[in-house]
Amino acid sequence: AQKVTQAQTEISVVEKEDVTLDCVYETRDTTYYLFWYKQPPSGELVFLIRRNSFDEQNEISGRYSWNFQKSTSSFNFTITASQVVDSAVYFCALSEAGAAGNKLTFGGGTRVLVKP
Amino acid sequence: DAGVTQSPTHLIKTRGQQVTLRCSPKSGHDTVSWYQQALGQGPQFIFQYYEEEERQRGNFPDRFSGHQFPNYSSELNVNALLLGDSALYLCASSLDLRTGYFHEQYFGPGTRLTVT
Repeated sequence: AQKVTQAQTEISVVEKEDVTLDCVYETRDTTYYLFWYKQPPSGELVFLIRRNSFDEQNEISGRYSWNFQKSTSSFNFTITASQVVDSAVYFCALSEAGAAGNKLTFGGGTRVLVKP
Repeated sequence: DAGVTQSPTHLIKTRGQQVTLRCSPKSGHDTVSWYQQALGQGPQFIFQYYEEEERQRGNFPDRFSGHQFPNYSSELNVNALLLGDSALYLCASSLDLRTGYFHEQYFGPGTRLTVT
């Protein structure tokens, strides 16, 4: 069975500080996909990134960066120079790649509060 | 390009009643998934529809049922509502895996259901 754990329930930072969100996953599959979604107060989940299990290359997109380490089953997310608009709940999610479907298994989320 | 739309936005029902929620997928998508998100928790997968068939199902009772129409839109039905069914119901759409690529799921704004 798949499982995603986000140990940090809430992180509070001051604007311009860096913040790292931890994500640890469990799966028996050799091929799987990892995701990060952002959920602002409006409630709609916004897709941020997808990572394949066979591609451990780290990725940077603007102020966002992701560190995928298969050896420790972790897929951490860093926001550099945080801004107030980054305040939201962030979810890490996992999906198998089978033909039976692509359901997402989510972690419990980490609430990020960026204070001005 | 229209994103995922859901209706209604909010709904208040009484215990024992039945409810129907609706979802239109993002243009070009053919697969619809439904998730339940209780307050302060991550979304939980209910089921996924493709080609008008339920392809995958999460750990939800038979009171939860769905349907997908030829135009790919979908409905989620919940019978005999319980207080514990109060949640944000999220619809997500994606492309079928058989296109050869793994397509991330795009979420709608959700329907907030309150059962009193």
